[in-house]
Amino acid sequence: NAGVTQTPKFQVLKTGQSMTLQCAQDMNHEYMSWYRQDPGMGLRLIHYSVGAGITDQGEVPNGYNVSRSTTEDFPLRLLSAAPSQTSVYFCASSYDREWNTEAFFGQGTRLTVV
Amino acid sequence: SQELEQSPQSLIVQEGKNLTINCTSSKTLYGLYWYKQKYGEGLIFLMMLQKGGEEKSHEKITAKLDEKKQQSSLHITASQPSHAGIYLCGADMGEETSGSRLTFGEGTQLTVNP
Repeated sequence: NAGVTQTPKFQVLKTGQSMTLQCAQDMNHEYMSWYRQDPGMGLRLIHYSVGAGITDQGEVPNGYNVSRSTTEDFPLRLLSAAPSQTSVYFCASSYDREWNTEAFFGQGTRLTVV
Repeated sequence: SQELEQSPQSLIVQEGKNLTINCTSSKTLYGLYWYKQKYGEGLIFLMMLQKGGEEKSHEKITAKLDEKKQQSSLHITASQPSHAGIYLCGADMGEETSGSRLTFGEGTQLTVNP
């Protein structure tokens, strides 16, 4: 059981480049989300999805796009990378809206924009 | 300002000592999660609290949620070097909770010296 898998683990981009961070889960979870983690700010929610075909914005959505065409995958796209997007990105998934469940987190993608 | 305030921001203790980390909100918490993170790694779920006055324990870690559901504490008894890492509290700030749409505190960096 792989859980939540994120790729790549590390990435360096030049300003203006675009890329997609991949996230896949094999637990048939409805909910998936993306967070970024910056020093002194904890984790902040970028986008989330409550099921295939449904996405919504979190706290810091600007500069990022998401789509959810399947239950398993939730890619995060950076349209035009900026140095302010240098961060560690975490994908998470959980079961349905019952609130006594945990969120499973991937190992993170460390992104540097130069 | 953070919706979830964690204190202290960092903590250095001698092995064998007890310690407490606090997580405070000005709003009612509908689900309070504690995670542990080691540097460069993902988040490991510790406990989830949902009822006012609830207390849960796992090995030497105990977490409590106060009656008003606005403050939680994480207590480690007889700390060990394996307890070192960043402890994060997360909560769903809305009435409909989801383990994947959390607001996080800034984290507490715990160092345990042998």
